Amino acid sequence: NAGVTQTPKFRILKIGQSMTLQCTQDMNHNYMYWYRQDPGMGLKLIYYSVGAGITDKGEVPNGYNVSRSTTEDFPLRLELAAPSQTSVYFCASTFNEKLFFGSGTQLSVL
Amino acid sequence: GESVGLHLPTLSVQEGDNSIINCAYSNSASDYFIWYKQESGKGPQFIIDIRSNMDKRQGQRVTVLLNKTVKHLSLQIAATQPGDSAVYFCAVDSSGGGADGLTFGKGTHLIIQP
Repeated sequence: NAGVTQTPKFRILKIGQSMTLQCTQDMNHNYMYWYRQDPGMGLKLIYYSVGAGITDKGEVPNGYNVSRSTTEDFPLRLELAAPSQTSVYFCASTFNEKLFFGSGTQLSVL
Repeated sequence: GESVGLHLPTLSVQEGDNSIINCAYSNSASDYFIWYKQESGKGPQFIIDIRSNMDKRQGQRVTVLLNKTVKHLSLQIAATQPGDSAVYFCAVDSSGGGADGLTFGKGTHLIIQP
């Protein structure tokens, strides 16, 4: 099993550009999550999904959108990128309350 | 709500010594606690967890202690090795289940001195 796979690993965006962070998992987990990690701060939940077709906002959803058309995939969409969205983004899935994280996407908005 | 704090942003220990990393939480209703390890450039990795009906839980070279009276938990790493160098952070669940209810601490960077 590959676990949780995120692409790309690094990306630089200009202000106002859009992009999609890809996340896929091969563990057949129903629950999936997107977090952002800012330097010196704890992980903050952006969006989560309890299954295909169901998504909900987390603590910091503004400026982001998600979709969950399949159990495996949970992409995160940034519309009109802003410098405040410079961060490291982690996708995760859960099984028995244990989070399994991807390796992250480091995003800079300049 | 819940707030989670960590006492030290950085902890430096000698190889072979024991390490203790601390975490404090605010909500007395919190009932599930997890420790994660994050190596440079990687995603967080589950280390050990404990529920509020326990005071202590042991894994391989790691022990988590929970003091509900003072709302404090700690992670003890025995015989610290170079591979233990990482950021360690705790997560606290006060929602009764589901990772959407987790509050994460900021992390302690454990540095291993040879």
